[in-house]
Amino acid sequence: DAGITQSPRHKVTETGTPVTLRCHQTENHRYMYWYRQDPGHGLRLIHYSYGVKDTDKGEVSDGYSVSRSKTEDFLLTLESATSSQTSVYFCAIRTTGGNTEAFFGQGTRLTVV
Amino acid sequence: RKEVEQDPGPFNVPEGATVAFNCTYSNSASQSFFWYRQDCRKEPKLLMSVYSSGNEDGRFTAQLNRASQYISLLIRDSKLSDSATYLCVVNMDSNDYKLSFGAGTTVTVRA
Repeated sequence: DAGITQSPRHKVTETGTPVTLRCHQTENHRYMYWYRQDPGHGLRLIHYSYGVKDTDKGEVSDGYSVSRSKTEDFLLTLESATSSQTSVYFCAIRTTGGNTEAFFGQGTRLTVV
Repeated sequence: RKEVEQDPGPFNVPEGATVAFNCTYSNSASQSFFWYRQDCRKEPKLLMSVYSSGNEDGRFTAQLNRASQYISLLIRDSKLSDSATYLCVVNMDSNDYKLSFGAGTTVTVRA
């Protein structure tokens, strides 16, 4: 257990509304990531962070923004949700040193109607 | 071409059988390799890292072939509990902490 908590776990929202997903970690990891998972695509990186206020885009960042104002929290915001953003969202941390393995939160299932 | 490609399966095998599958990666400079397991509607969990010399963890054996740019996972004496999707994960650059994921190989072990 890498101490990662995602909230909410499930959410249904309407098209055009803003949505914020939260990832909270308790072990002071520097690297945090947001992925989305869709059938046939595997996990695709949305945004990642390599420190407080340091973030960068992943391969599917359009329509998403992130913020990291403190080490333990990494927020993902959908500015104006669309049906194409219906997905399962996973937050992950990555350890440094050694094998630099990734550990995931339990996921947020988001449905945009 | 995708950075990491896997045969989606499904591989349907009886209990006790051996099942093996590969994953290919596009970047010859890739540094780190992992196999993750994902159960239905759950988060991915690390199964094992893959080392250059190959490594074994109980009934699971992972191999890396740098020349042909693939990694493999072999499961011996399959159990019902091995039914899952197995994700191949590659770190393309040691200076880059981004991971690339395959879409997964589904294994179903039947009684």
